[in-house]
Amino acid sequence: QVQLVESGGGVVPPGRSLRLSCTASRISFSNYALHWIRQAPGKGLEWVAVISSDGSDDYVAGSVKGRFTISRDNSKNMVYLQMNSLRIEDTAVYYCASRRGGFSGSGRTDYWGQGTSVTVSS
Amino acid sequence: QSVLTQPPSVSGAPRQRVTISCSGNSSNIVKNAVTWYQQVPGKAPKLLMYYDNLKTAGVSDRFSGSRSGTSASLAISGLQSEDEADYYCATWDDSLNGPVFGGGTKLTVL
Repeated sequence: QVQLVESGGGVVPPGRSLRLSCTASRISFSNYALHWIRQAPGKGLEWVAVISSDGSDDYVAGSVKGRFTISRDNSKNMVYLQMNSLRIEDTAVYYCASRRGGFSGSGRTDYWGQGTSVTVSS
Repeated sequence: QSVLTQPPSVSGAPRQRVTISCSGNSSNIVKNAVTWYQQVPGKAPKLLMYYDNLKTAGVSDRFSGSRSGTSASLAISGLQSEDEADYYCATWDDSLNGPVFGGGTKLTVL
């Protein structure tokens, strides 16, 4: 069974930065698109960003574009979400998710991690 | 405001059948297959159904999906208490050039 483990969450004041990491095991990592999806307290799911298997293409949601960056290191089986200029409304559980192959044209992800909590508060 | 519209809640008695709708437009559901996720409170979401009506391994035959025009739906027959969860639809939006979720529907088994 594919395992995804997120880390890097925490409590930060508005305007600061945070980098989330997600490591994957039991998959051929370089064959999988990787996603970051968040869920604010008591709210629904929101796609944040997704990166292609080779890192050459990505999508970043309009709500975080210019502040968040997704990247990956296939040699380390890691995907990252660099979050800058954090706002209170970025408070959420951030999930890492994966799907074999590409991401364009689909809302499908096959595997999810357990999430890491980010709280932006003064 | 979600790109895809779902009812906030649905409910049904045990053994009854319920449907959860997911409404979109010509930029998303009309052109792209719909995926459904199930999220039990306190847990991460998990893939329930993809390509409109294909179930992931282990999903009961009581679950079925469909898509037509600008809408998709998830039907659950023979409701059981274990079906209580939040359900989300998702697809690709060609205008946004990205994936989108519905707002989610909370299913309560009475």
